[in-house]
Amino acid sequence: SQQGEEDPQALSIQEGENATMNCSYKTSINNLQWYRQNSGRGLVHLILIRSNEREKHSGRLRVTLDTSKKSSSLLITASRAADTASYFCATVRTSGNTPLVFGKGTRLSVIA
Amino acid sequence: GAVVSQHPSWVICKSGTSVKIECRSLDFQATTMFWYRQFPKQSLMLMATSNEGSKATYEQGVEKDKFLINHASLTLSTLTVTSAHPEDSSFYICSARDSGQGVGEQFFGPGTRLTVL
Repeated sequence: SQQGEEDPQALSIQEGENATMNCSYKTSINNLQWYRQNSGRGLVHLILIRSNEREKHSGRLRVTLDTSKKSSSLLITASRAADTASYFCATVRTSGNTPLVFGKGTRLSVIA
Repeated sequence: GAVVSQHPSWVICKSGTSVKIECRSLDFQATTMFWYRQFPKQSLMLMATSNEGSKATYEQGVEKDKFLINHASLTLSTLTVTSAHPEDSSFYICSARDSGQGVGEQFFGPGTRLTVL
């Protein structure tokens, strides 16, 4: 079953603008990960943030994690047309070798 | 990073036939692999957890007799869609963790697109 929700479900912005996507989840987690998927293609791992971390950066990506609110956000700065894709958050529970459970995703369109 | 391969990348078959999809971890050992299904414009839904040398654990609502999973070695898991029907058409994605890395990154295969006519 899916862990939680992303919002917005769809986001359309101009090239150069920042894009912010939010993710909420339901259970205690070991870590939360963000993935990108171009239409009809495989997943690309973007970033992993552990439950004891609050913020992480990777290039133009910034991820925050608030375990008290069970939420995370992904910020893409200075967006490019090539950033157009679906973005998913996925969580791993704290116990056992459990699989990633994905949220519903945000479809991002960056217009040149 | 670690690589997971899937074969075939796409397959078209007639209704009623069975299709086998292979998932391999190329440069690491995976005690556990996971199988997901993704319908168009939807998210990935976990189908089952494949354990090397033992039976797979299926998620609620996934028919184990229809989706046969075999994890015969530490680098290979197979998913067989038996008696496929058009509603089984989907994107199937496998995933694995490096057994020696604890609860870390989960590596994904490129997916297999199944179309049942």
